Order: sequence, then C-alpha cells, then structure tokens
Amino acid sequence: AQSVTQLDSQVPVFEEAPVELRCNYSSSVSVYLFWYVQYPNQGLQLLLKYLSGSTLVKGINGFEAEFNKSQTSFHLRKPSVHISDTAEYFCAVSDPQGGSEKLVFGKGTKLTVNP
Amino acid sequence: DSGVTQTPKHLITATGQRVTLRCSPRSGDLSVYWYQQSLDQGLQFLIQYYNGEERAKGNILERFSAQQFPDLHSELNLSSLELGDSALYFCASSPGTSGSRETQYFGPGTRLLVL
Repeated sequence: AQSVTQLDSQVPVFEEAPVELRCNYSSSVSVYLFWYVQYPNQGLQLLLKYLSGSTLVKGINGFEAEFNKSQTSFHLRKPSVHISDTAEYFCAVSDPQGGSEKLVFGKGTKLTVNP
Repeated sequence: DSGVTQTPKHLITATGQRVTLRCSPRSGDLSVYWYQQSLDQGLQFLIQYYNGEERAKGNILERFSAQQFPDLHSELNLSSLELGDSALYFCASSPGTSGSRETQYFGPGTRLLVL
C-alpha cells in the first residue's frame, strides 16, 4: 500500500526566507505526486503536481517541487516566503495503475511565516 | 472558490444520532470523493463515486454510507454517531475522464462535532 511521510509537522520561518517542506513516498510502482495547501478554515487547493517528464515542477504562488525517483522524494520549495504563505501543506500520491483515483495524503506540515 | 459546494458548514449533534452531509461537484465533474480529516488520523479517503456508481472504498465505517444522485450531487450519511466521528469532512470532485492524473477540487468542508 502507498504511504506518504512528511518529515516535519511544523516549520517556522521568517518572511523572505527560503523554505523547503519535505515529502517522501513509499511505493513500488510509479505514482503521481501532488502538493495541496490548506489555508485556515478553508478547503484544500492544488499547488502543483508531478505526472511525468521534467522532474522540476512549478506551481502557483511561486512554489516548485522536485521529483526524485531514487530517493522517493517530492520536496516543496519556495525561495522567498510571505506572511500569506502561512498555511498547512499536504503531500499526496495517487496510483496510475490502481482502480481508483483516490489520494493518499501525508500528515501535513504547518508552515508559519513570521515577520 | 473551487466550485465544489458543501452543506452544512457546521453540524453539532449528539452521540447515537444520524446526519447527512451534502456535496455538489463542479459543473461537469463526474467523480466525487469523500475524505475525513481528523487530528489523529489526518486526511483519509472514505469513498469515491463515478457517474452514480460506487468506484472505490477506503477506510469507511459500516455506519457510514454514501450515494451519488442522477444530478451528480452526493450525500454522505453518518449514523449511530460516536464522539470519535467528530472531524472535518471534505468532498472533492474531478472530471473523471483522465484517471488518477486529474486534479481533485475540494469543497470547504463540513465540520461535524458529536457531543
């Protein structure tokens, strides 16, 4: 069964600093990878996704992620964060070969951007 | 705004009761997913419907059931409620034409509190 590990439950950073949120997945087959963001009291919104091709994926709000098959990782990065990036970030996988399009989520990383 | 609507936003009820959560997918989307978000379990897939038919089941309790109607809206029924059912319940939708590569669009959620 697929699983996703987000190594940091909380990440505090200062405004304009770079940030990396780590995600590792466990699967013996190819997967599709997603990062979602959840702002306080809101639903989840897609930041970016990796399906195939270039391992560097660019998303909305200046975020990008790099797929590393050998390390089974899909870390999310932003070179300079803003106060408005304070939110919870979820890494998720889906199985291209599976009979369902369900997403398997990590436990989430709470990013707090301080002035 | 994702285009997915969920009602009600908040629900407070007592143990042993039954509630119904409602979801309207984005216009044209055929797939509907239900997820439960709780502090201890994180985000867990419950069930998926595609064009009125059940497509996949996840960690859904027998006390829970769902259905998708001809107009594609979906309802999640929770019965014999227990304190541990208190959680945020999300509905998501996707077109249903491109498998697990599709982006799932999430509604704002229904927050259920069982007292």
